[in-house]
Amino acid sequence: NAGVTQTPKFQVLKTGQSMTLQCAQDMNHNSMYWYRQDPGMGLRLIYYSASEGTTDKGEVPNGYNVSRLNKREFSLRLESAAPSQTSVYFCASSVRGGWLANYGYTFGSGTRLTVV
Amino acid sequence: AQTVTQSQPEMSVQEAETVTLSCTYDTSESNYYLFWYKQPPSRQMILVIRQEAYKQQNATENRFSVNFQKAAKSFSLKISDSQLGDTAMYFCAFMMNDYKLSFGAGTTVTVRA
Repeated sequence: NAGVTQTPKFQVLKTGQSMTLQCAQDMNHNSMYWYRQDPGMGLRLIYYSASEGTTDKGEVPNGYNVSRLNKREFSLRLESAAPSQTSVYFCASSVRGGWLANYGYTFGSGTRLTVV
Repeated sequence: AQTVTQSQPEMSVQEAETVTLSCTYDTSESNYYLFWYKQPPSRQMILVIRQEAYKQQNATENRFSVNFQKAAKSFSLKISDSQLGDTAMYFCAFMMNDYKLSFGAGTTVTVRA
């Protein structure tokens, strides 16, 4: 099925461990995004990539790094996980520019990450 | 970041009845887009309805409709004839020409049988 694929779906890390969340889309979208969802705070933008070859910080970038590997793939890395990074992480993609851009994003199914 | 406020953390509605979720936002821009997303227990984010700020007519998608009041910066969602499958968290979201979505904190809707 076409869409946004995130892996893994669940992960438990120990404080200080590192990991990479993977995201791939097959809709030929230009832009990709990483959000985190926490209770009572909605979804907050961590990083985004407006187009292949570019990445920019969002609202809550501290403790994270990203890589836009190609047009399809956008990964999120936690170098040294902290309990405050316990959250649900969503990857999303969208068209950039033109009328289709105004139809919002297509989201992956999320990754529930627990840091103990 | 743009501010999106959903003042109702939880709402409960009887099956077949109507529920209205409120959303306000803050911007000085005149051209933007507003969305409602549904997140059922499966965690998937599903687009429910969207509204362009330059359109005065309120958007409607089957049982879902919005009341867009641009001057008041208000964007409420009405769910008519509520069904058990409407039980979910609903997020209001805002997007300007930078294509970044800003979300409210969400409203949990429970439909009672």
